[in-house]
Amino acid sequence: VQLQQSGPGLVKPSQTLSLTCAISGDSVSTNTFSWNWLRQSPSRGLEWLGRTYYMSQWYNDYEVSVKSRITINPDTSQNQFSLHLNSVTLEDTAVYYCARWDHEAHLFDTWGQGTLVTVSS
Amino acid sequence: DILMTQSPLSLPVTPGEPASISCRSSQSLLHSNGHYYLDWYLLKPGQSPQILIYSGSNRASGVPDRFSGSGSGTDFTLKISRVEAEDVGIYYCMQGLRTPPTFGPGTTVDIK
Repeated sequence: VQLQQSGPGLVKPSQTLSLTCAISGDSVSTNTFSWNWLRQSPSRGLEWLGRTYYMSQWYNDYEVSVKSRITINPDTSQNQFSLHLNSVTLEDTAVYYCARWDHEAHLFDTWGQGTLVTVSS
Repeated sequence: DILMTQSPLSLPVTPGEPASISCRSSQSLLHSNGHYYLDWYLLKPGQSPQILIYSGSNRASGVPDRFSGSGSGTDFTLKISRVEAEDVGIYYCMQGLRTPPTFGPGTTVDIK
């Protein structure tokens, strides 16, 4: 399984951060795993942002601190999922990762390569 | 949310010597199935996080046997029997018992 991230590395304050994670070797519609976004910065460490997963229907869960600004969408036609974080501030500057979560083992077993996103005017 | 703490936050190490990192959770990480859902991840410079230990004490595939995990309830430990230069990075413990998964603040391991 591989996860390939894409998206811009520079976003202006108040605008929307958008990243995509393409999946190879698995399906976004699997009911064994969920598809997650996390970020890492020196000031905040590793932080889970949210996930999407399919179990007879699509579900999303989001971290409370970003819940009003975040959307994670699956794209079954392209076998990928996306992150949209709106109204960004300087505090959203971080390395963003997509990752696969194993529902049974309760762990992140596969990670994307990471995208440094800088919020700056 | 379950709060995770780690100590120390910085750990200078000498190659060949042992190292140990402690992790504590704000509530027990014991699942009704008997597993402790505490994992250890390593973030090496310029790389993505990698799983080292899962369910408290199980080494992930490909992880050298110098890494070991132990603990129960709310207290867990990661040990490196003999540190190598390639082990530098930030070590995070993470609880996977409840959503959201939460991480400790990280322990930065570098060479003295």
